[in-house]
Amino acid sequence: NAGVTQTPKFQVLKTGQSMTLQCAQDMNHNSMYWYRQDPGMGLRLIYYSASEGTTDKGEVPNGYNVSRLNKREFSLRLESAAPSQTSVYFCASSGGTLHGYTFGSGTRLTVV
Amino acid sequence: QKEVEQNSGPLSVPEGAIASLNCTYSDRGSQSFFWYRQYSGKSPELIMFIYSNGDKEDGRFTAQLNKASQYVSLLIRDSQPSDSATYLCAVNKGAQKLVFGQGTRLTINP
Repeated sequence: NAGVTQTPKFQVLKTGQSMTLQCAQDMNHNSMYWYRQDPGMGLRLIYYSASEGTTDKGEVPNGYNVSRLNKREFSLRLESAAPSQTSVYFCASSGGTLHGYTFGSGTRLTVV
Repeated sequence: QKEVEQNSGPLSVPEGAIASLNCTYSDRGSQSFFWYRQYSGKSPELIMFIYSNGDKEDGRFTAQLNKASQYVSLLIRDSQPSDSATYLCAVNKGAQKLVFGQGTRLTINP
């Protein structure tokens, strides 16, 4: 099915370890996003990419880096994981203002 | 003041009744507004969007927008147990960025 694919679905990291969350969309969308969701905090934007070759910081970018590898793929990297980065991470894509976002299934990350 | 505010609930509604979910936003220049439904452990899914003042209906769902009052709401008629979920209000901030409220947890009681 067309949509947004995220991997992995679950991950446990030790403090200081690094990892990359992968995201790919097959809807030919220009814009892609990474959000984190914490209880009582709603969805907060980490980074976004309005088009291939561009990336911008969102509300909570500290501790993260991103790469827009091509139009389909947008990855999120944690260089040195901290317990405060324990969260559920969602990738999303958008074909334009009128269409809202399509979300991936999420990655549940625990940092111990 | 948060950019997008929702009553976190929980909101409990009997089956068959109307559920009313509310959202206020701070940026008067916001142009488009979205309602997402999120079941526990799942990702958000878009159920409604609205751009113009007034009401927009889609099946049992009605979105209402009042830009002067900076207020957007979602009505669910004939509520069903399957409507039990968290409902997220989102506002477009330009550059296709959405700002989300913290969500309202809705429970429909059979």
